Amino acid sequence: GAGVSQSPSNKVTEKGKDVELRCDPISGHTALYWYRQSLGQGLEFLIYFQGNSAPDKSGLPSDRFSAERTGGSVSTLTIQRTQQEDSAVYLCVCGSLGQYFGPGTRLTVT
Amino acid sequence: GEDVEQSLFLSVREGDSSVINCTYTDSSSTYLYWYKQEPGAGLQLLTYIFSNMDMKQDQRLTVLLNKKDKHLSLRIADTQTGDSAIYFCAERGRDDKIIFGKGTRLHILP
Repeated sequence: GAGVSQSPSNKVTEKGKDVELRCDPISGHTALYWYRQSLGQGLEFLIYFQGNSAPDKSGLPSDRFSAERTGGSVSTLTIQRTQQEDSAVYLCVCGSLGQYFGPGTRLTVT
Repeated sequence: GEDVEQSLFLSVREGDSSVINCTYTDSSSTYLYWYKQEPGAGLQLLTYIFSNMDMKQDQRLTVLLNKKDKHLSLRIADTQTGDSAIYFCAERGRDDKIIFGKGTRLHILP
């Protein structure tokens, strides 16, 4: 595809349920970041993948959050036992300069 | 840990210059960035500067970097209504993690 795609674009879930967010990056870019943006806030770093190196997970807020990147391409961010404070827009970014942003997944936990 | 600070609001008259300031803490930053987020849209990379440079100019945009003071600024000449947006400063450390500020909302006065 021409750009970074994310799915779903919107997700409403009940507190306590698990959710899985997907990112399809631009082919060939080995760097991939996940961020979340809460209403009126900046971007909070979650995790960074670079090629086959071990990911930098230092931004994951709790052990309910995990992410993987299969084959150096598609990445999934999983949130288990969702809480209301998890509500945010989750952004996938790729490119060595962090220059390609996906449209985001808006997660609402009710 | 790393931190990026910027003022939250700036109001400028149309036609004047806008100067958005940012400070950061990571002395090992490799790149410094400015991103723009227009209302209802995603972030887009506006410009960036290598940490060994002190100035970069691109049309109406001028980026100044004072590495000693860890201060970055973005000057927008002849500010137009289309420049109304949130501007995010970000820095990239040697670990390649990109840390964002909370964003400066630029409001254009007629």
